[in-house]
Amino acid sequence: EPEVTQTPSHQVTQMGQEVILRCVPISNHLYFYWYRQILGQKVEFLVSFYNNEISEKSEIFDDQFSVERPDGSNFTLKIRSTKLEDSAMYFCASSETGTGYNEQFFGPGTRLTVL
Amino acid sequence: AQSVTQLGSHVSVSEGALVLLRCNYSSSVPPYLFWYVQYPNQGLQLLLKYTSAATLVKGINGFEAEFKKSETSFHLTKPSAHMSDAAEYFCAVSVSRDDKIIFGKGTRLHILP
Repeated sequence: EPEVTQTPSHQVTQMGQEVILRCVPISNHLYFYWYRQILGQKVEFLVSFYNNEISEKSEIFDDQFSVERPDGSNFTLKIRSTKLEDSAMYFCASSETGTGYNEQFFGPGTRLTVL
Repeated sequence: AQSVTQLGSHVSVSEGALVLLRCNYSSSVPPYLFWYVQYPNQGLQLLLKYTSAATLVKGINGFEAEFKKSETSFHLTKPSAHMSDAAEYFCAVSVSRDDKIIFGKGTRLHILP
């Protein structure tokens, strides 16, 4: 069964460093998403991406964040200068269509720890 | 704006007992509602979804949920709990014009032997 994969599973970095979280969405999906979950809090939407551009972003997704689809398979989230409060589990998701009722398939997440 | 509230961050039930996880939603337009499950060290897996076709929705692993507009609820149930049901469960909402999903805080289900 096709699945969304994410690497690495755990990333530890120093405050102020850049990190890139990687995701491989399901191959025939066209819509891609990043969510995050700070420990003990709810899963929060960060950004959606379609046709090589951001279609929607939350207020969390400030100038320190960027997304890219560098090739036909990967979808990345870059945090330019990490802060302590960026420590969270980051989930990538993909779906065939971007309508509200369509299932989004989630990856296992990358746990980011900022020291 | 849409939101969901899950009552109880932790719920414990005995094996074989009824599972009831509560979710209430808020939406100014007709919502789509979801329940996701997260097993340890795994991603979020869709259990079931409500998309206005039927108010009683059946999902995987014997779970079902009923959409009650008058109560703005979408509670998740399973008649008989199994040890393998121990996981975190997330209620979520979306609307047709958006593609983002709004999640609740989650309920961790513990199954007692």
